[in-house]
Amino acid sequence: EAEVAQSPRYKITEKSQAVAFWCDPISGHATLYWYRQILGQGPELLVQFQDESVVDDSQLPKDRFSAERLKGVDSTLKIQPAELGDSAMYLCASSSWTSGEGSYEQYFGPGTRLTVT
Amino acid sequence: AQSVTQLDSQVPVFEEAPVELRCNYSSSVSVYLFWYVQYPNQGLQLLLKYLSGSTLVKGINGFEAEFNKSQTSFHLRKPSVHISDTAEYFCAVSVNNFNKFYFGSGTKLNVKP
Repeated sequence: EAEVAQSPRYKITEKSQAVAFWCDPISGHATLYWYRQILGQGPELLVQFQDESVVDDSQLPKDRFSAERLKGVDSTLKIQPAELGDSAMYLCASSSWTSGEGSYEQYFGPGTRLTVT
Repeated sequence: AQSVTQLDSQVPVFEEAPVELRCNYSSSVSVYLFWYVQYPNQGLQLLLKYLSGSTLVKGINGFEAEFNKSQTSFHLRKPSVHISDTAEYFCAVSVNNFNKFYFGSGTKLNVKP
């Protein structure tokens, strides 16, 4: 069964350092999402791509976060510089249109647990 | 704007007892509804979804949920829980099929022996 891949699974970094996360969506999925999940909360959308274009980055702290999906396949999320408050789980998801059901369905990767010290 | 409220942050229950996890949503338009489960340090896995048709939806692991339009609710139920059901559960909505999803804050289900 196809899965969303993410790496690394865990990352510990010091504040003010740069950190990057990678996501490879399920093959053929045009939509890719990056979510941030703070402990005890639900996922919060950071950025949504349709192919290589950003369709929603309204909640992305653009002074320190950046995201790209250059060829419309895999994606990288970067934080520079990292702050203590960035400690969270970063989830990647992709979605496809299910014609039989007439809806989108999201599939999540295992996430990257970031700890900023 | 759309919002999802999960009324209970934690639900303790004994093994083999029934459980209900509550979810209410706010939307002025048609919604699609989802329940996800998340085990520690893992991503979210889809349990079930409501798109249309029958308001009682069955999912994996013996879970089911009922869509109630008048009460704008989508509560998750299981008649007999197992220790392995201990996890966090998230309710989510997708509005007008816009390929955008809104999540609740989650309910931690703790199944005790």
